[in-house]
Amino acid sequence: NAGVTQTPKFQVLKTGQSMTLQCAQDMNHEYMSWYRQDPGMGLRLIHYSVGAGITDQGEVPNGYNVSRSTTEDFPLRLLSAAPSQTSVYFCASSYSQMNTEAFFGQGTRLTVV
Amino acid sequence: GDSVTQMEGPVTLSEEAFLTINCTYTATGYPSLFWYVQYPGEGLQLLLKATKADDKGSNKGFEATYRKETTSFHLEKGSVQVSDSAVYFCALPGAGSYQLTFGKGTKLSVIP
Repeated sequence: NAGVTQTPKFQVLKTGQSMTLQCAQDMNHEYMSWYRQDPGMGLRLIHYSVGAGITDQGEVPNGYNVSRSTTEDFPLRLLSAAPSQTSVYFCASSYSQMNTEAFFGQGTRLTVV
Repeated sequence: GDSVTQMEGPVTLSEEAFLTINCTYTATGYPSLFWYVQYPGEGLQLLLKATKADDKGSNKGFEATYRKETTSFHLEKGSVQVSDSAVYFCALPGAGSYQLTFGKGTKLSVIP
């Protein structure tokens, strides 16, 4: 049972480059989300999805795009990387019911130089 | 809107010391409350939860009680171990949504 799988674990980008952070879950969860974690800031929600074909913005969506073509996958795209996007990114999933536990991936540590 | 205020660290304790990490919340209604733990180099994982007022969540020797009257969900452990060194996050779901709102996290270091 893999749970939530994120790739890559580490990435260094140059300013202006684009890339996609991958996230896949095998628990048939409807709800998926992306957070970024920065020192002293806790976790902040970037984008989320309540099911295939449905996405919405979170607290800090600028500079990121998402899509949800299948229940399993929820990739996060950085369109033109900036140093301010240096962070640790976490993908999470949960059942559609509210007040249920979220399951997190191991994270992607991204550095933009 | 819903929010979580969590005691900020870092917190350094000796092994077998008593731990309290304070968490207070502002919320519409009475949502479930969660404590997540993040061990070094890993993602977050659920430590414990409480689903209604006066509930006590417990796991791995940690406990937290959902206090409606003080809007608090403090995390406690009677005797910490070096292996408890981690970052702890208090969290609650947003009103009418599946999104989690997190506190800023408290880094705990336990020294032998």
